[in-house]
Amino acid sequence: QKEVEQNSGPLSVPEGAIASLNCTYSDRGSQSFFWYRQYSGKSPELIMFIYSNGDKEDGRFTAQLNKASQYVSLLIRDSQPSDSATYLCAGRDNYGQNFVFGPGTRLSVLP
Amino acid sequence: DGGITQSPKYLFRKEGQNVTLSCEQNLNHDAMYWYRQDPGQGLRLIYYSQIVNDFQKGDIAEGYSVSREKKESFPLTVTSAQKNPTAFYLCASSTGGNTEAFFGQGTRLTVV
Repeated sequence: QKEVEQNSGPLSVPEGAIASLNCTYSDRGSQSFFWYRQYSGKSPELIMFIYSNGDKEDGRFTAQLNKASQYVSLLIRDSQPSDSATYLCAGRDNYGQNFVFGPGTRLSVLP
Repeated sequence: DGGITQSPKYLFRKEGQNVTLSCEQNLNHDAMYWYRQDPGQGLRLIYYSQIVNDFQKGDIAEGYSVSREKKESFPLTVTSAQKNPTAFYLCASSTGGNTEAFFGQGTRLTVV
C-alpha cells in the first residue's frame, strides 16, 4: 500500500514566522511531489511541485525533497494569516498515473 | 478559460436514491480522477481513468460507478449501495509524467 504521511497538526505559528510542513512517503517509485493548499470548504490549489533532490524556491515558499530519506517538506517564510489552511502533500509514481495524498496538515497563522 | 467544472455545487440525496455528479474538463487532459473527502480527512481515490472508455477502481470504489465515453467528461454515480455518501467530492484531471492534478470546485453531497 502506497502511503504518504503528514503531521495532522494543527500547527500554529505567529505572523511573520517560518512554518515548516513535513511529509514522508513509502513508495520509492514516486518521482514527483506536490504541495496543495486547501481552504475550508474549497478545493485544493497547487502551491509547489518538486521532482529533483534539493530545494526549490518560489516567493515565500520553499519545497525540499530528499529521495534517499523519502522526505518532502514545505517552508513558508513570513507567514501571513491568509496562509491559514490545510496543506496536502501528494506523490506521483514514475508511471505518471495516480496521485497519493497525505491526510493534510492544518496550519494556523496567528496575528 | 480552461478548467474543470463540477456540478452541482450542493446535492441532496434521499435514502435509496442514485445521484450523478458531473465533471467536465476542457484542458485536453487524458487522465481524470474522482476523490472523496470527509471532514478533517485527506483525499481518498474512488475511480480513475487514463483514457476514454477505460477506468479503474481506486481505494474506495464500492457503491460508486463511473463512465468515460468522452475525453472531456467523467461523471460519477453514487448508488444506493453506498451507505454513507455524505462527503465532499472532488474531480481532478492531469496529463502524464510529472505534472500536477487540477481540481474542480467540488460537490458537497448530503443525505437527507
